[in-house]
Amino acid sequence: SQELEQSPQSLIVQEGKNLTINCTSSKTLYGLYWYKQKYGEGLIFLMMLQKGGEEKSHEKITAKLDEKKQQSSLHITASQPSHAGIYLCGAASAGGTSYGKLTFGQGTILTVHP
Amino acid sequence: EAQVTQNPRYLITVTGKKLTVTCSQNMNHEYMSWYRQDPGLGLRQIYYSMNVEVTDKGDVPEGYKVSRKEKRNFPLILESPSPNQTSLYFCASSSRGESYEQYFGPGTRLTVT
Repeated sequence: SQELEQSPQSLIVQEGKNLTINCTSSKTLYGLYWYKQKYGEGLIFLMMLQKGGEEKSHEKITAKLDEKKQQSSLHITASQPSHAGIYLCGAASAGGTSYGKLTFGQGTILTVHP
Repeated sequence: EAQVTQNPRYLITVTGKKLTVTCSQNMNHEYMSWYRQDPGLGLRQIYYSMNVEVTDKGDVPEGYKVSRKEKRNFPLILESPSPNQTSLYFCASSSRGESYEQYFGPGTRLTVT
């Protein structure tokens, strides 16, 4: 099965600092999703990337998928306390009977100090 | 309001006592899924359903059952809960297609003693 490795596992930054979270796959990614979760709550969809080299932005968050489609990064510019939470990357299996199967990374816990 | 609802939100039960966690969505989504989230292990898929009467195993299906008799509902059944099923459970739904933007429920925190 596909495995996703996120790094770092946790991150503490001062408000206003930039940061990057990485997600690496053992296999080619056919769809890479970024979600944010506040502790103990449900996940909120951020972005989805499909094409090699693709980059998407939403407010101060930018996600990229590398050309080989095995690594994605999530970059937050000028972090704010509202960015704090757990960030998870998720990937869909490609084709066949397993294409509904989704795998998630273990998550990155982000703390932003005012 | 488009949403995924789960009930109960919190449940404490004893080993072996059958329980059902309900999940309902009002977005007419074909796809629904159950996950459990455990510290250090992340979010793992238990079962998913591509449509009514179509279900399949995720990565950790042992000890769980599901059914999809109606499009909007996807209950998770624990026939004989054990302490290792103590976890935070999430239900999610999405429309079929390439985006797979999943909408998650608020979670059900289950403790099995």
